[in-house]
Amino acid sequence: DAKTTQPPSMDCAEGRAANLPCNHSTISGNEYVYWYRQIHSQGPQYIIHGLKNNETNEMASLIITEDRKSSTLILPHATLRDTAVYYCIAYNNNDMRFGAGTRLTVKP
Amino acid sequence: GAVVSQHPSRVICKSGTSVKIECRSLDFQATTMFWYRQFPKQSLMLMATSNEGSKATYEQGVEKDKFLINHASLTLSTLTVTSAHPEDSSFYICSAREGDSGNTIYFGEGSWLTVV
Repeated sequence: DAKTTQPPSMDCAEGRAANLPCNHSTISGNEYVYWYRQIHSQGPQYIIHGLKNNETNEMASLIITEDRKSSTLILPHATLRDTAVYYCIAYNNNDMRFGAGTRLTVKP
Repeated sequence: GAVVSQHPSRVICKSGTSVKIECRSLDFQATTMFWYRQFPKQSLMLMATSNEGSKATYEQGVEKDKFLINHASLTLSTLTVTSAHPEDSSFYICSAREGDSGNTIYFGEGSWLTVV
């Protein structure tokens, strides 16, 4: 079973920041938090991952709480192309399992 | 980012035949590869994990004799669906990781299998 819980769906206005939460209260100390997204009928696209520190790349920012029990993926300026299912995964070594994810709909 | 390629992207086969799906890491050596199956409107379900040169580790409920996984090189893993049935029709996705945990895992584009 997945070790993360996410809201099933969220809406965001185009141009605004999209903040996608993820709870991983049972994450162990050596597990990373990974974020992927999947657009219909395609393989998941890597977004970002982190262990303890906040991370930022050209796609998004990842904010991990100090106790590591939750995290937030931030898409700073959402576009219509960001509409997808977003998956948060707690992972270490041979066990990358997907939960149901959050279906983000970016609206004009 | 790194590229993982799957082939074929779509395949139709007759019931009772076998079909092979390839997963290649194009610009890195994949020590670990994962295979998933995804039914419409559902999440990805992990089928098996394979480490190069070792036998794959299958998830509970996945028949290892039906879904043959080979990871003979650091850039190629194959999934063979044997004696395919219509209920095996699904979207099959692979992913690959270079080196140790903490390294990014990249996914292929997926392969649609339709068994008629």
